[in-house]
Amino acid sequence: GENVEQHPSTLSVQEGDSAVIKCTYSDSASNYFPWYKQELGKRPQLIIDIRSNVGEKKDQRIAVTLNKTAKHFSLHITETQPEDSAVYFCAASVDTNAGKSTFGDGTTLTVKP
Amino acid sequence: NAGVTQTPKFRILKIGQSMTLQCTQDMNHNYMYWYRQDPGMGLKLIYYSVGAGITDKGEVPNGYNVSRSTTEDFPLRLELAAPSQTSVYFCASTTRGGAVAKNIQYFGAGTRLSVL
Repeated sequence: GENVEQHPSTLSVQEGDSAVIKCTYSDSASNYFPWYKQELGKRPQLIIDIRSNVGEKKDQRIAVTLNKTAKHFSLHITETQPEDSAVYFCAASVDTNAGKSTFGDGTTLTVKP
Repeated sequence: NAGVTQTPKFRILKIGQSMTLQCTQDMNHNYMYWYRQDPGMGLKLIYYSVGAGITDKGEVPNGYNVSRSTTEDFPLRLELAAPSQTSVYFCASTTRGGAVAKNIQYFGAGTRLSVL
């Protein structure tokens, strides 16, 4: 089955700096890669996703890049703000069954004011 | 439009007890899922369903059962609760997928279960 590894497990940055979280996956059949933000005690919320026919996608301060050959994808957050502090999860799945996802173990991002 | 609704929000069970976690969605989504999230970990898929009458095992199905008699409801059953089932359980739903489909996954608020 699919295996997703996520690094780092914790990340602390100063407000205004950039944050990068990286994930690798094992199954070349995976073609849908969502990123979720989960605040303490809350449900995961989709913040951005990318499909394998695209190498990069951007939405305001967040962007995701995908390298299919190397089987890795990354989340980039620029101009970080304290409200970006949360746990971020990457996931990988086959597009036609997006919820049958394999998740990484999460990255706890802390943005210091 | 309530989205995905889970009940109860919290529950404490004794070892060996049984319970059903309820999940219902009002978005007419075909696909529904149950995940568990252990502390400091990502979500693990327990069971999923691609439509009424169809269910399949995910990554960690042991100790659980599901049914899908309607499009809206996807209950998760724990028959003999064990301490290892202490976790937060999330139900989710999505539309049928595809290369151009906007198949965002919607999560319920979660059920926090403790087995003592």
